Amino acid sequence: DAGITQSPRHKVTETGTPVTLRCHQTENHRYMYWYRQDPGHGLRLIHYSYGVKDTDKGEVSDGYSVSRSKTEDFLLTLESATSSQTSVYFCAISERGGSPLHFGNGTRLTVT
Amino acid sequence: TQLLEQSPQFLSIQEGENLTVYCNSSSVFSSLQWYRQEPGEGPVLLVTVVTGGEVKKLKRLTFQFGDARKDSSLHITAAQPGDTGLYLCAGGSGGYQKVTFGTGTKLQVIP
Repeated sequence: DAGITQSPRHKVTETGTPVTLRCHQTENHRYMYWYRQDPGHGLRLIHYSYGVKDTDKGEVSDGYSVSRSKTEDFLLTLESATSSQTSVYFCAISERGGSPLHFGNGTRLTVT
Repeated sequence: TQLLEQSPQFLSIQEGENLTVYCNSSSVFSSLQWYRQEPGEGPVLLVTVVTGGEVKKLKRLTFQFGDARKDSSLHITAAQPGDTGLYLCAGGSGGYQKVTFGTGTKLQVIP
């Protein structure tokens, strides 16, 4: 299995607080992705990275920012959490754009 | 926005039965992937198909990519309780090969 670690695995936070989720990989893959998974919507891409300091928006990027200062780490930040951001967040990696994705085990975020 | 629609959304069957899950789109994809996800875990890749009309078999699972590369199907023969999970199709396309996921099919196999 691909070495992908997400932290924390669970988090409860209050509306308006900043939250940062971390994804760490040991595979040296170039591409990293953040998805959110919600009932009835499947997996939706938030942001992705195609190299260190190279990032771009996905289909549901509003309210989220990302940073990638090292190949192995990809951070997702919610600057001011809202209840609509309650979700399960998955990090994924791939060797190349479009190649199969390897997922972490997710972070369950609850915004109260 | 490219959409992938999966059907059925939910499926509950008895052990030993056969089933087919469908993944349809109006868009053409350069590749199509199938994943299975179990509760509390991330999706795990089952197969990738890249050629129109391609058929791949993985033990009791048969995957087919449509001739026009707009649709795919997953057929499971003699389902077992271990097949229980959420099945997701995902299409690859675009300049950076963006991957679009379907909404999933939740399968329950009853012993």
